[in-house]
Amino acid sequence: DIRMTQSPASLSASLGETVNIECLASEDIYSDLAWYQQKPGKSPQLLIYNANSLQNGVPSRFSGSGSGTQYSLKINSLQSEDVATYFCQQYNNYPNTFGAGTKLELK
Amino acid sequence: EVQLHQSGAELVKPGVSVKISCKASGYSFTSYNMHWVKQRPGQAVEWIGVINPESGGTDYNGKFRGKVTLTVDKSSSTAFMQLGSLTPEDTAVYYCARGDYSGDYFDYWGQGVMVTVSS
Repeated sequence: DIRMTQSPASLSASLGETVNIECLASEDIYSDLAWYQQKPGKSPQLLIYNANSLQNGVPSRFSGSGSGTQYSLKINSLQSEDVATYFCQQYNNYPNTFGAGTKLELK
Repeated sequence: EVQLHQSGAELVKPGVSVKISCKASGYSFTSYNMHWVKQRPGQAVEWIGVINPESGGTDYNGKFRGKVTLTVDKSSSTAFMQLGSLTPEDTAVYYCARGDYSGDYFDYWGQGVMVTVSS
């Protein structure tokens, strides 16, 4: 199985700040990488797919990048509604595997 | 509007089975794969498996093979996941999620079902 190592596990940032979350795959996943946002008690929501494609309806302050084994999610101009847990998913190979998540809080 | 509506929370005893449903609406049910995932607090989400609603074909995470059976009822646009021989380690929230047509990422999710296994 492909292992997804996500960092940091938690992050505290101020409103308006830019944050970055990383995912490292144990092998090349050819940009088959998605990012999700999950708020407490809610279902995950798709933010980014194919490493850098923004899902319809997702604010443009979210962006994804990367290739090969290294990927990142960037949130520009952090808003209060961005407080959530974020996690990555590789779908290049079955079984799909997920990062352990990054809990983003406001400073 | 695409919606995936899952059945309610379950409290079950060890050793029994439970069957969770996921009713799809707002799109052509047979045109998109349906995936199931497991989420436990503090742990990474785990992919359980996927079913093609048109053919009924399935793929399972080896970790869950023998534990889980995925089925669909096309007439009601409903997907099902049966979990057998439950243990406390099966206590989790289980989600159904629609696989996008272009890749196995999940563009719509059900609201989740909390399954608690306790004697």
